[in-house]
Amino acid sequence: AQSVTQLDSHVSVSEGTPVLLRCNYSSSYSPSLFWYVQHPNKGLQLLLKYTSAATLVKGINGFEAEFKKSETSFHLTKPSAHMSDAAEYFCVVSLSPSGGYNKLIFGAGTRLAVHP
Amino acid sequence: GAGVSQSPSNKVTEKGKDVELRCDPISGHTALYWYRQRLGQGLEFLIYFQGNSAPDKSGLPSDRFSAERTGESVSTLTIQRTQQEDSAVYLCASAATSGTVEQYFGPGTRLTVT
Repeated sequence: AQSVTQLDSHVSVSEGTPVLLRCNYSSSYSPSLFWYVQHPNKGLQLLLKYTSAATLVKGINGFEAEFKKSETSFHLTKPSAHMSDAAEYFCVVSLSPSGGYNKLIFGAGTRLAVHP
Repeated sequence: GAGVSQSPSNKVTEKGKDVELRCDPISGHTALYWYRQRLGQGLEFLIYFQGNSAPDKSGLPSDRFSAERTGESVSTLTIQRTQQEDSAVYLCASAATSGTVEQYFGPGTRLTVT
């Protein structure tokens, strides 16, 4: 069965320092993986997606993630945190049942705090 | 262009009452999904629509939950005889086609059952 595990429920960093949000997935086949961000009182926004092309995926706002099949990981990184990055981040795997649609399976989320 | 919209944004209801939540997907999107987000948790899949039919209802938690979609556009999620455990944010997402991996989410409806 498809699943995702976000290894940290909370991460706190200083502004200007690197961000690492960890995600491991379980999948019986090559998955589609996503990172979504949810700012307070705002809707979910897609940060980036991996769909079996390049293993290093670049997203919006300077975020990127690397798909590592050997480690079943899809960690999200950013070289330098900004105050505006404070939000909830969700690692997501797409389950594609027969019928060709995409049921998204969400991790529990990681709350990123950025302090001055 | 307009994104996915949902109404109401907030709904407070008494236990035992019925509620209807509305979703307007992006125009032309044939795939529509409903999810639920309980406090402090990730999203749980509820139901998927392709056009007006719902091939996957596997995430609906009980028979008190139902959903329909008309005109390949608006969808309503109905919860009958609400219970306190139904309190959550209900999110709707649409995608251009069933095979499109990227889903666009609405802002959600926050349901509070007192």
